[in-house]
Amino acid sequence: NAGVTQTPKFRVLKTGQSMTLLCAQDMNHEYMYWYRQDPGMGLRLIHYSVGEGTTAKGEVPDGYNVSRLKKQNFLLGLESAAPSQTSVYFCASSYDWDRGRLQQFFGPGTRLTVL
Amino acid sequence: AQKVTQAQTEISVVEKEDVTLDCVYETRDTTYYLFWYKQPPSGELVFLIRRNSFDEQNEISGRYSWNFQKSTSSFNFTITASQVVDSAVYFCALSAVVSGGSYIPTFGRGTSLIVHP
Repeated sequence: NAGVTQTPKFRVLKTGQSMTLLCAQDMNHEYMYWYRQDPGMGLRLIHYSVGEGTTAKGEVPDGYNVSRLKKQNFLLGLESAAPSQTSVYFCASSYDWDRGRLQQFFGPGTRLTVL
Repeated sequence: AQKVTQAQTEISVVEKEDVTLDCVYETRDTTYYLFWYKQPPSGELVFLIRRNSFDEQNEISGRYSWNFQKSTSSFNFTITASQVVDSAVYFCALSAVVSGGSYIPTFGRGTSLIVHP
């Protein structure tokens, strides 16, 4: 039982390049989330999904796109990376019970640097 | 809109001291959920506790205790007899209803706790 996994763990991009971060969970959770963590800013929600095929914007969605084609996977895409997107990205998932009120399970994070 | 304020950016204590981490929240909902998470230096986020808005009982788990007061919209976290292993960033989070009817969490900015030997 791997829980929540994220690929890759580290990545360095040049401005303008694109990439996709993959999040996978094996707990059959309905809800999945993408956060970014920056020094002094806590965790800010980028996008979330309440089920396969559905996504919604969070607090800081600009410059990112997401897809949830399979229940166990949640992809975060950067179409044209900018230095402001240098951050640590966390994926999380939670049960559907009571519409996601239970605690979240987090992945180990992806450290992204955009030069 | 929902908001979580952790006014203490960093707290430094010496081992065995007691320390309280403050969390103040804002929401218009009457039903909501509050959480604390721990992020040790290794980086992973670990769930510590969940409390719903209808349960104001304080909770104790070993050296950890939580004080929930709706009257002051606070959900404070106390570590008794702190240890070096308690050094981490601690996040408070509030989960209330967003559009679509789902409960989506909002996190505070975190408090960095440093426990010196």
